[in-house]
Order: sequence, then structure tokens, then C-alpha cells
Amino acid sequence: EDQVTQSPEALRLQEGESSSLNCSYTVSGLRGLFWYRQDPGKGPEFLFTLYSAGEEKEKERLKATLTKKESFLHITAPKPEDSATYLCAVPHGSSNTGKLIFGQGTTLQVKP
Amino acid sequence: DADVTQTPRNRITKTGKRIMLECSQTKGHDRMYWYRQDPGLGLRLIYYSFDVKDINKGEISDGYSVSRQAQAKFSLSLESAIPNQTALYFCATSERTRPNEQFFGPGTRLTVL
Repeated sequence: EDQVTQSPEALRLQEGESSSLNCSYTVSGLRGLFWYRQDPGKGPEFLFTLYSAGEEKEKERLKATLTKKESFLHITAPKPEDSATYLCAVPHGSSNTGKLIFGQGTTLQVKP
Repeated sequence: DADVTQTPRNRITKTGKRIMLECSQTKGHDRMYWYRQDPGLGLRLIYYSFDVKDINKGEISDGYSVSRQAQAKFSLSLESAIPNQTALYFCATSERTRPNEQFFGPGTRLTVL
């Protein structure tokens, strides 16, 4: 059964304190891994797509990496506006259906 | 203006009532999705639609039905609401060529008493 597990559930950082969020997956053949950001009271917002082990994507203070078993979202020198819940997801079944399996998310709080 | 809109944003109803949640999009996307989000369970797919004539069940479709009235409109109905359908509901859209890069609406918070 395809599964996605994120850790930690919650993370508190001081502004400028770098850290990483983990997304472990068990799938029968990875067809992409997707990161989303969700602000309180809003719908998730797409961030990154990773397709193969070793691939990296960056956006501002965020860098997503992928191995054969997990993905990391590295946050460098975070700011309070980076506070959000970060979700990762993998496709279920054929990669072309849009059926995503989401992890439960990591809620990040960055204090000034 | 928002690309994906949902109405209502909040709804409180009673057990046994019929409820419809509506979603409209101006992104011109073919594919539309309905999810529910529950604390501790994450986002789960209820139904998805490739186009007006192609609708498919997701992970948790029991107790729900949908209607794709047009390319831009996708409605979710609860025929007889029950308390465990209390949740946050999201509509999403995507391009046919990038189905996993989805654009979400702001959500509808539904409470069933």
C-alpha cells in the first residue's frame, strides 16, 4: 500500500535557525513527489515537483531534495513568513490521474 | 479575483440534511478534484473529474456525490449529512499535462450537528 509519512508533526524555529522537514514514502514505483505549502485558513499551494533521486529544487529559502526513500525540505535562515504547514504527496496508481496521497504535514512556526 | 472559488465558505447544518458545496474556476483547467481535510488524517480525495463527461471516485466517496456542470464548475453533494462528515472541504484544479500540480480553492468549513 502506498504511504507517505512526514516528520516532525510540528517544528518551532527561531528566525534564522535553519532546519529540515522529512517526507518518507513507500510506493510501488515513484512517479514524482510533490511539496505543497498550506497557510492557516487557506488551501494548499504547490511548491515543487521532484522526479528522480538526486534531484533538487529551490525557491527562496526552501530547497527540496529527493532520495529513493525520502524527500527533505530544507529551510535556510527562515523568516516568520515561512510559518505554514508543509505537505508532501505522491501519485497513487498511474501518474497521470492526479490522484495524490498526501502526508499529514509538518506545521512550521518561525518566531522573530 | 481568485482562480478557484468555493461557496459557501462556512456552513453549519443538521444531520440528515442535503448539502451542496460549489466550486468554480477561471483557470481553464480540464481536471477538477474534491478533497476533505481532517486533523490527523490529512487531505483525502473524494472525487475527481477529467472533464465534463468523466467523473471518478476517489479514496472516500461513500456518502458523497458530484456533478460537473461545465468545465469550470464542479459541485459536491452530501445527500444526507452525518456528523462524521464535519471537515474542511477543498476543491482543486489541474492541467491535463500536469495533473499532480494542483491549484486549490480556499476551502469550505462544514459542520454537521
